[in-house]
Amino acid sequence: DIQMTQSPSSLSASVGDRVAITCRASQSISNFLNWYQQKPGKAPKLLIYAASSLQSGVPSRFRGSGSGTDFTLTISSLQPEDFATYSCQQSYSTPWTFGQGTKVEIK
Amino acid sequence: EVQLVESGGGLIQSGGSLRLSCAASGFTVSSNYMSWVRQAPGKGLEWVSVIYSGGSTYYADSVKGRFTISRDNSKNTLYVQMNSLRAEDTAVYYCAREVTMVRGGDAFDIWGQGTMVTVSS
Repeated sequence: DIQMTQSPSSLSASVGDRVAITCRASQSISNFLNWYQQKPGKAPKLLIYAASSLQSGVPSRFRGSGSGTDFTLTISSLQPEDFATYSCQQSYSTPWTFGQGTKVEIK
Repeated sequence: EVQLVESGGGLIQSGGSLRLSCAASGFTVSSNYMSWVRQAPGKGLEWVSVIYSGGSTYYADSVKGRFTISRDNSKNTLYVQMNSLRAEDTAVYYCAREVTMVRGGDAFDIWGQGTMVTVSS
């Protein structure tokens, strides 16, 4: 199985900050990498697919980049509604696997 | 409105069985790939099982032989039958629609609200 490792596990930031979360795959996964946002007690929401494509309705302050084994989710200017946990997921080979999540908290 | 609504979770003793349901609206379950994904308390997401539109089914090694995914086309509902439950199966179980994205790869674009399964030892 492909292992997905995110860093950091958590971070504290202020409204307006630029935030970057990284995700590393245990082998090359081309661009088959998705990002999800999850708020407490809620289901995950698809933000980014194919490493850099924005899902419909997702604000443009979210940006995905990377290919191969290293990927980054960047939030250009953190908004109050962005405080949540972010998870990456590979869709290169089954079983699909997720990172452990990065919790973005208010500083 | 496109949505998924799970039900059937609860508290069950180790070794017991439980069936979860996931009712879909706004789209047809049988025309899509449908998965179950779980999340243990304080942990990350774990893919559990998928049923393809053609009917093929696949399972994570951790549940193979114990869980069975199925669907009822007349009810537009997805199920997972969970047998021989263990403490480590304790989690919120989500159903999700898996779609192939234009720019490559599959993604889970529609999720249910989740249903909690607690297995007591």
